[in-house]
Amino acid sequence: DAMVIQNPRYQVTQFGKPVTLSCSQTLNHNVMYWYQQKSSQAPKLLFHYYDKDFNNEADTPDNFQSRRPNTSFCFLDIRSPGLGDAAMYLCATSRQGKNEQFFGPGTRLTVL
Amino acid sequence: QKEVEQNSGPLSVPEGAIASLNCTYSDRGSQSFFWYRQYSGKSPELIMSIYSNGDKEDGRFTAQLNKASQYVSLLIRDSQPSDSATYLCAVNGGSARQLTFGSGTQLTVLP
Repeated sequence: DAMVIQNPRYQVTQFGKPVTLSCSQTLNHNVMYWYQQKSSQAPKLLFHYYDKDFNNEADTPDNFQSRRPNTSFCFLDIRSPGLGDAAMYLCATSRQGKNEQFFGPGTRLTVL
Repeated sequence: QKEVEQNSGPLSVPEGAIASLNCTYSDRGSQSFFWYRQYSGKSPELIMSIYSNGDKEDGRFTAQLNKASQYVSLLIRDSQPSDSATYLCAVNGGSARQLTFGSGTQLTVLP
């Protein structure tokens, strides 16, 4: 089945220790998104890619970076995680021109 | 003013009843409207999309859109305990190129 896959599902890191979250998709969608979602809050868009074109949201902290080496994969790098970065990180995809977004299962990040 | 507003709930309905979830949005140029279901600890799952005024039905779910009133709703008929989740309204288009989510309404269906 076509799907969006995120690894790991759960990630524990220490304050200030870099962490990388990964997302892959078999939907062949050219748009990929990273969201941050904290408890009882709406998903917050961090950045997205139209193909390889990177689009950063204005209020995304510099601590968050992203890479998309090919159509199928996208990575979220948190360079120096703080306690406030503990959240669920969601990857989503869509086909350009179509507004429906499909989410992966998410990665729950804990910062100690 | 929030761009997409939902009643946070919690909303409780008995099993078999109709659950009604409401959403208003501020950008009059919005063009696409979505309902996502999110179980606790899980990711959002797209359950309905609607693009034009009126009703759209899919199984037990009906989405209703009124662009003049900037209002979109989701009705769940014959509610089941498995429908207990948070329902997120999302809006796209107008001045926002990407989806704008509401903060969700928590629904509990009581057996």
